[in-house]
Amino acid sequence: AQKVTQAQTEISVVEKEDVTLDCVYETRDTTYYLFWYKQPPSGELVFLIRRNSFDEQNEISGRYSWNFQKSTSSFNFTITASQVVDSAVYFCALSGLVEVNDMRFGAGTRLTVKP
Amino acid sequence: DAMVIQNPRYQVTQFGKPVTLSCSQTLNHNVMYWYQQKSSQAPKLLFHYYDKDFNNEADTPDNFQSRRPNTSFCFLDIRSPGLGDAAMYLCATSRDNQKETQYFGPGTRLLVL
Repeated sequence: AQKVTQAQTEISVVEKEDVTLDCVYETRDTTYYLFWYKQPPSGELVFLIRRNSFDEQNEISGRYSWNFQKSTSSFNFTITASQVVDSAVYFCALSGLVEVNDMRFGAGTRLTVKP
Repeated sequence: DAMVIQNPRYQVTQFGKPVTLSCSQTLNHNVMYWYQQKSSQAPKLLFHYYDKDFNNEADTPDNFQSRRPNTSFCFLDIRSPGLGDAAMYLCATSRDNQKETQYFGPGTRLLVL
């Protein structure tokens, strides 16, 4: 069975602080895909990143960076120099090839960035 | 520029009164999904269409139905809404199967009175 755990329910930081959102996953698939989505108060889920299980290279996009560690089944997300606009719920998700179109979301982490 | 469009953004219905939510896409994607998201919870997949093939999640209540008349449009029908069906309903699309990224619409927030 596939499972995604985001242990941090809520995180609050002050603007310009760095913050890391944790994501731990379980799957029996050897080929799988990991995603991060951002859900601002408006409600729309905004796609941030997709990684496949064969690509462990860390990625940086502006203030965002992702650390994929297969050895610990983790796919953590770091925001550097956080801004108020980063306030949102962030979801980590996992998709495998066992069941067609089965993407499992974590419970989400609510990030609040205070000015 | 909008790629996945949902109408309306807010929908109010009465207990037991059928309601239809709509979704359209300009991406020409093969797969369309409907998710239900309740407050402070993760989105929950209700069903999806791969082209015209309908796939229902095992725990999706019979009260929920879907139609996909063409590639661009997909509808969610709630036959007899209950108070517990009040939620955000999210439509998503992907180019192909589950390895592809899903792109979400802005959602329709349903209120049941």
